[in-house]
Amino acid sequence: GENVEQHPSTLSVQEGDSAVIKCTYSDSASNYFPWYKQELGKRPQLIIDIRSNVGEKKDQRIAVTLNKTAKHFSLHITETQPEDSAVYFCAACTGGGNKLTFGTGTQLKVEL
Amino acid sequence: DADVTQTPRNRITKTGKRIMLECSQTKGHDRMYWYRQDPGLGLRLIYYSFDVKDINKGEISDGYSVSRQAQAKFSLSLESAIPNQTALYFCATSAPGTPWFFGPGTRLTVL
Repeated sequence: GENVEQHPSTLSVQEGDSAVIKCTYSDSASNYFPWYKQELGKRPQLIIDIRSNVGEKKDQRIAVTLNKTAKHFSLHITETQPEDSAVYFCAACTGGGNKLTFGTGTQLKVEL
Repeated sequence: DADVTQTPRNRITKTGKRIMLECSQTKGHDRMYWYRQDPGLGLRLIYYSFDVKDINKGEISDGYSVSRQAQAKFSLSLESAIPNQTALYFCATSAPGTPWFFGPGTRLTVL
């Protein structure tokens, strides 16, 4: 089955700096890659997603890049703010769009 | 607003007890999922269902069972709870072409 690896497990940045989280996947048939943000005690919430026919997608301070050849995708957050502090999960969808496999999460801390 | 709800939100039980976690949705999605979240392990798929007559095992289904009572309802049961089933459980829904949407979670503690 699909295997998603996510790095780093923890990331600490200064407010205003950029943060990058990287994921790799194993199943070349995966075609949908969402990113979720989970604040303490809350449900995971979708922040951005990308499909395999696109190499990059941007939404304000958040961007995702996808390299299908290398089977990796990354989340980029620019101009980080304290409210960006949370756990971020990458995921890959395979099985004909039926199953979502998650990475193990990155705890992002934005320090003042 | 259309949503996914879970009951109970918190539950403490004892080893050997039977427990049922319930999930309901008003999003009109046909696909429903149960995930388990443990620190450092992310979210792992327990079971999923694409309609009322369809049930599929995920990567960690041992010790769990599910029931899809209606398109909007998907229940997870622990027949005989054990301490290593202590975790945060999330229900999620989706439809073709839509993102997965998660419920608020159920925190289960097995003593």
